[in-house]
Order: sequence, then structure tokens, then C-alpha cells
Amino acid sequence: GAVVSQHPSWVICKSGTSVKIECRSLDFQATTMFWYRQFPKQSLMLMATSNEGSKATYEQGVEKDKFLINHASLTLSTLTVTSAHPEDSSFYICSAPGGAQYFGPGTRLLVL
Amino acid sequence: AQSVTQLGSHVSVSEGALVLLRCNYSSSVPPYLFWYVQYPNQGLQLLLKYTTGATLVKGINGFEAEFKKSETSFHLTKPSAHMSDAAEYFCAVTLDDKIIFGKGTRLHILP
Repeated sequence: GAVVSQHPSWVICKSGTSVKIECRSLDFQATTMFWYRQFPKQSLMLMATSNEGSKATYEQGVEKDKFLINHASLTLSTLTVTSAHPEDSSFYICSAPGGAQYFGPGTRLLVL
Repeated sequence: AQSVTQLGSHVSVSEGALVLLRCNYSSSVPPYLFWYVQYPNQGLQLLLKYTTGATLVKGINGFEAEFKKSETSFHLTKPSAHMSDAAEYFCAVTLDDKIIFGKGTRLHILP
């Protein structure tokens, strides 16, 4: 089946720094990718829809200037958490549409 | 608007017993419904999905779910629980290619 990868799988950073997370579709092209955030013991919440060649669409309440999304090619979408703070610590998961969507393995971000 | 409600944030069953995880949905159009499993510190794995056709859907690891339109339900079952089934389970519905998740049910398996 289709595979989506994420890099890095773990990242620890200091407060105030920026962190980039990559999401790649390995064996198919994706004009759209989705970014989710999951806080401990909670469900996945859709943050934004990444669109190749155009601006991302953000869900209500998600700061687009803080969570920068770039869909550089048909196989790569990136999420940059700018000026990260401890409350941004979470599990970030990307996915690409398909019959049931193809989810990446997730990136765990810890902001100290 | 589509939404999903999972009844019970935690469910405990004995090893070998029936597993029943409840999910109700609301949708203005015929829904596509999914069950995903998430093991600790891992991503999501699709267990099964309903799109159209047969309402009883069989998935991986012995799980199945039945789409009941009259009850707006899509409960997940497994006849005999195994210790390896301990995980978080998410029911989900699609909305314009986006997937909307329920809050999840953590399944505990008692020895």
C-alpha cells in the first residue's frame, strides 16, 4: 500500500526556536496533505490542509503564522512550528488522501 | 456537519472475551466510516472501513464493524480479545477528503 513518511520522528528543542517537520509520500503523488496534532491522551485534531502549488487551508483556531505549511512538490509537505513554546509540545501526524488516507508515523515534538 | 461520538473513553475486557467499542456518527450525506488503531507512541493503522455495499465490514486482526444506518452506528467488535489488542481505537468519518476523528477509546485487556 501507499506509504507516507515523516522526519524527524522525535525532536526536542528550546523555547523560541523553530522546528521543521517533513512529510513525504514515498510511492505516490499527493496534491493534498493533511496535518493533524494530537495532545497526550486526546484525539487527533486537523490543523490544516496542505495544497501543492497554493496556500494551505487552516482550521479554525490554528495560527497560520505560527504553523507554516509549504507543499513544495507532489511528494513533500513541510510544517514549520515557528517560535515554539512548551504548549506546542505534541504529536504531529500528516496524511495523504486515499481510500482511507495514508498516515505518516508521526513526529513527537517536545519544547523545553 | 459530520461528527463522531465514541462512547466510553476506556473499556476493559478480559482476555478471550468479546470486545465491543461503540461509535455513533452524524452526517448529512452517506458517510464513509473508519476504525483506526494506535499503539503507544506510534501512528495510526487502519483496521477497517465502510464506504458502500455490505454493511458488515471485516478488518484486520479479527475485528469487524457493522454499519447501521437506522441507529447511525458503526460499532467495532472482536469475538475474542487478545493481549496484543490493548491500544487506542479511533472511529472516524470523512468530510471533503478530511478525516474527522472521535475522541478515542482506550482498550485494556485484563489477563
